[in-house]
Amino acid sequence: AQSVTQLDSQVPVFEEAPVELRCNYSSSVSVYLFWYVQYPNQGLQLLLKYLSGSTLVKGINGFEAEFNKSQTSFHLRKPSVHISDTAEYFCAVSERGRDDKIIFGKGTRLHILP
Amino acid sequence: KAGVTQTPRYLIKTRGQQVTLSCSPISGHRSVSWYQQTPGQGLQFLFEYFSETQRNKGNFPGRFSGRQFSNSRSEMNVSTLELGDSALYLCASSSGQGFGNTIYFGEGSWLTVV
Repeated sequence: AQSVTQLDSQVPVFEEAPVELRCNYSSSVSVYLFWYVQYPNQGLQLLLKYLSGSTLVKGINGFEAEFNKSQTSFHLRKPSVHISDTAEYFCAVSERGRDDKIIFGKGTRLHILP
Repeated sequence: KAGVTQTPRYLIKTRGQQVTLSCSPISGHRSVSWYQQTPGQGLQFLFEYFSETQRNKGNFPGRFSGRQFSNSRSEMNVSTLELGDSALYLCASSSGQGFGNTIYFGEGSWLTVV
């Protein structure tokens, strides 16, 4: 069965600095991969997704993620963060051709320091 | 195009009571899924409906149930509420079966059990 591990529960970073939020998954078959963002008191919003093709995926708000099959990772990156990026970020995986249930990681809270 | 709408946004119930939460998906979306979000457990999948049929179910007790109507609107019900049921309940919709399709979340219903 698939599983998702977000290695950091909280990540503090200074404004305008780069950030990487780590995500590793476990699955015996091909997967779809997603990153979602949750701003305070809101639902989740899709940042980006990997279905197939290029392993570098660009999303909204300047975020990008790279699918690494050999390392079973899908880390999220942004070259320069802004105070408005303060939120919780969730990595998620869905196995192709299975029951299509999507599994979420436990989330990484991004703190932007002034 | 209106997003996923969940009602009520906030509610307080007493242990032993039951609660019904409602979700209106994005127009044209036939798949609706429900998640429970708590600080300790993160996002946990409850169930998914497609065209009024439950396709997937998470590992929750039978006190948690749901249904989908012919207009794709969905409700979930929790009977005999326990303190541990206090959580944010998120509904999400997508256009098709499975999660290769993007799922869109509502803002959630905050349930507090006292």
